[in-house]
Amino acid sequence: RKEVEQDPGPFNVPEGATVAFNCTYSNSASQSFFWYRQDCRKEPKLLMSVYSSGNEDGRFTAQLNRASQYISLLIRDSKLSDSATYLCVVNGVGNTPLVFGKGTRLSVIA
Amino acid sequence: DTAVSQTPKYLVTQMGNDKSIKCEQNLGHDTMYWYKQDSKKFLKIMFSYNNKELIINETVPNRFSPKSPDKAHLNLHINSLELGDSAVYFCASSQETGGNEKLFFGSGTQLSVL
Repeated sequence: RKEVEQDPGPFNVPEGATVAFNCTYSNSASQSFFWYRQDCRKEPKLLMSVYSSGNEDGRFTAQLNRASQYISLLIRDSKLSDSATYLCVVNGVGNTPLVFGKGTRLSVIA
Repeated sequence: DTAVSQTPKYLVTQMGNDKSIKCEQNLGHDTMYWYKQDSKKFLKIMFSYNNKELIINETVPNRFSPKSPDKAHLNLHINSLELGDSAVYFCASSQETGGNEKLFFGSGTQLSVL
């Protein structure tokens, strides 16, 4: 099982739709979880951290399920500008580095 | 006022050459990184430095040599370039370490080895 797995997509959704991505991780000792966003030919940028109780930032909601070892990202009322690749990131144990998933590509269509 | 800046943005070179990529951050962060993103878009850490000291080296060939003259700079020198080195290289920095770090990335250097 890969350390961090994501459905690569692409997810093609119309403007205004709600879309959800899941990400599974293999290391049950992982403590920190993040979603990054990467636009085409650009650098990744932190979208949000994922907290145990779940957290929301505007139209974006992140949730963590430790028992099943997955995190999710929900985007409500999709905008054209949400089109990007969303990277799931999980920490290793101790000083081991963050592990990036391969990303899920989202295209929001007018 | 770019927070993490790396140069050059594009680098096209022949096999066997030696090249360097420079990175600077003005965020006051203690930790800097080099990541490689290959053609399959998989982003993988290469090195991590904390206050000029190497803390992570992820089994990268020794043709890759990072150098950190101070905590605001982390340069990457690559000897004897190979076709497989073609990728986008991202520099990053963070204040935290130990798994809770929030990474700030440079805009990337696209390396093409011919």
